[in-house]
Amino acid sequence: NAGVTQTPKFRILKIGQSMTLQCTQDMNHNYMYWYRQDPGMGLKLIYYSVGAGITDKGEVPNGYNVSRSTTEDFPLRLELAAPSQTSVYFCASSGASRALEKLFFGSGTQLSVL
Amino acid sequence: EDKVVQSPLSLVVHEGDTVTLNCSYEVTNFRSLLWYKQEKKAPTFLFMLTSSGIEKKSGRLSSILDKKELFSILNITATQTGDSAIYLCAVEDSGNTPLVFGKGTRLSVIA
Repeated sequence: NAGVTQTPKFRILKIGQSMTLQCTQDMNHNYMYWYRQDPGMGLKLIYYSVGAGITDKGEVPNGYNVSRSTTEDFPLRLELAAPSQTSVYFCASSGASRALEKLFFGSGTQLSVL
Repeated sequence: EDKVVQSPLSLVVHEGDTVTLNCSYEVTNFRSLLWYKQEKKAPTFLFMLTSSGIEKKSGRLSSILDKKELFSILNITATQTGDSAIYLCAVEDSGNTPLVFGKGTRLSVIA
């Protein structure tokens, strides 16, 4: 089973560039999340979705956008990359519960904005 | 106004030492507290605590929750270099909001 597939694994952007981090899951999960993790820090929630067509802001949504047109896909868009967005990004999904015990993580995307 | 506060933020110990990691929280309608270990990639689940005073144990790791004083501790006995990681605490409330994470404790175990 593929689980949560996140691409790309690494990316370097110049300031002002845009990109989309892709996330797809094949477990028919309703809940999907995007987290960022700065060096030596915990996970901060950027956006989340409780189902197709529904998205909500997390703790640090500024500079990002998301969409959830299908149950499987939850892409994260950076419109104007800034150095402050240098981080590791994790996509995750869960079924009926929000509890992390039941969360499945993607392998992460290391993004550097120079 | 952090809702989940972990301490210490970093810790260096020698192999064989015992460590205690702390997590205090403040949420409106507490549902559960979770501990995770993060090495190089995504966090891996350790414990979920929902009731006060009941110790959860897995090998050399154990954790307990105090819902009255709003904190949890994670103990690691006889530490090994493989215990080096960031340990994350997260709290879930019973509303419609996602988990709230602490900043984590970076544990380094040196031989």
